[in-house]
Amino acid sequence: ILNVEQSPQSLHVQEGDSTNFTCSFPSSNFYALHWYRWETAKSPEALFVMTLNGDEKKKGRISATLNTKEGYSYLYIKGSQPEDSATYLCAFVSGGGADGLTFGKGTHLIIQP
Amino acid sequence: ETGVTQTPRHLVMGMTNKKSLKCEQHLGHNAMYWYKQSAKKPLELMFVYSLEERVENNSVPSRFSPECPNSSHLFLHLHTLQPEDSALYLCASSRKVLAGGLDTQYFGPGTRLTVL
Repeated sequence: ILNVEQSPQSLHVQEGDSTNFTCSFPSSNFYALHWYRWETAKSPEALFVMTLNGDEKKKGRISATLNTKEGYSYLYIKGSQPEDSATYLCAFVSGGGADGLTFGKGTHLIIQP
Repeated sequence: ETGVTQTPRHLVMGMTNKKSLKCEQHLGHNAMYWYKQSAKKPLELMFVYSLEERVENNSVPSRFSPECPNSSHLFLHLHTLQPEDSALYLCASSRKVLAGGLDTQYFGPGTRLTVL
């Protein structure tokens, strides 16, 4: 059973502040890591797919880094806005990718005006 | 909009009822998935279909019966469920089955199921 941990479980951030949270995954047999953003009552929406150690991806004010050797990824949000309020999920893919996505429980982010 | 729709959005059923969840994707994808999210648990993969053939069944009880009549439609037939089956059921699609883990999965908004 693969263990994917996300921390913190929830986070309150003041509008305009920057924030970050963590996804931890097994460091052996790494294949890919996905980040999704899930707003309440909507569909999870893909943010990034990361494969290479040291990779950094950016989409607007959101960026992510990947460390496959130590088994973690950080998601950063710069200058938080109320529309950033959502649950952020990471999903790990092991081996040759044939085993599908193993999700963490998510970090629930609330931006306070 | 992700291009994946699910109906109904909410469903309440008794333990003796038979109901079906429907998923439709308008993205031309070849792989479709059913996930379950129970309270305080991560998304759990239930079934995977590739070109209408089931390629994965993650030890799901037989009271859940998937059906994929074509690459655009996926159903989850429910029969004699238990209260602990109450959860959010999400459908997803991708270009290829599991795609070596690199393909993005596009999710529907889910069906919130309550079993009384």
